[in-house]
Amino acid sequence: QKEVEQDPGPLSVPEGAIVSLNCTYSNSAFQYFMWYRQYSRKGPELLMYTYSSGNKEDGRFTAQVDKSSKYISLFIRDSQPSDSATYLCAMRLSGGYNKLIFGAGTRLAVHP
Amino acid sequence: GAGVSQSPSNKVTEKGKDVELRCDPISGHTALYWYRQSLGQGLEFLIYFQGNSAPDKSGLPSDRFSAERTGGSVSTLTIQRTQQEDSAVYLCASSSGQNGGANVLTFGAGSRLTVL
Repeated sequence: QKEVEQDPGPLSVPEGAIVSLNCTYSNSAFQYFMWYRQYSRKGPELLMYTYSSGNKEDGRFTAQVDKSSKYISLFIRDSQPSDSATYLCAMRLSGGYNKLIFGAGTRLAVHP
Repeated sequence: GAGVSQSPSNKVTEKGKDVELRCDPISGHTALYWYRQSLGQGLEFLIYFQGNSAPDKSGLPSDRFSAERTGGSVSTLTIQRTQQEDSAVYLCASSSGQNGGANVLTFGAGSRLTVL
């Protein structure tokens, strides 16, 4: 079993839809949770990160962490065609420069 | 530079040949990471360097893989006697360790390796 599980999709939605992307994990010691976005043939770029449990909002994006369920989510409101990309969740232990453990990524297509 | 630079962007090689992939991290970033991304897969951790500390090599898949970081800056990932299963995108990332402990990684565009 992988440490971080993520449905690879693909997920296809119409423009303006609310998108929900999710990951589950097995290591209860993870403390930092991140979402990266990766466009085709580009490197991943950080969208948002949260520490421990709770919600964080940034514009159209909301990240949620439920440590009791070992479940994290990214919501995209009013989705745009420019949001079409692969979304990777990532997480790590606290302290120092510990490596990030990534999910497989979910490919999202937002069609006009 | 402004971002993480990787070269070559594309490399096609024959099975059994050695390849070297280069990474120039963001100036001043003390941590450097190598990941591998195979088709349809997530990012697989390979190795990371932090300052003068011994590197964490726990993700290297075999002894054909090695990496070094010279002068705390540029890093080279070397794959010896390449196999077809080594075909993947090799991503380098660097980090300053700031952002309140989140240790945000900035990735390069990757080096796409194809082993024929």
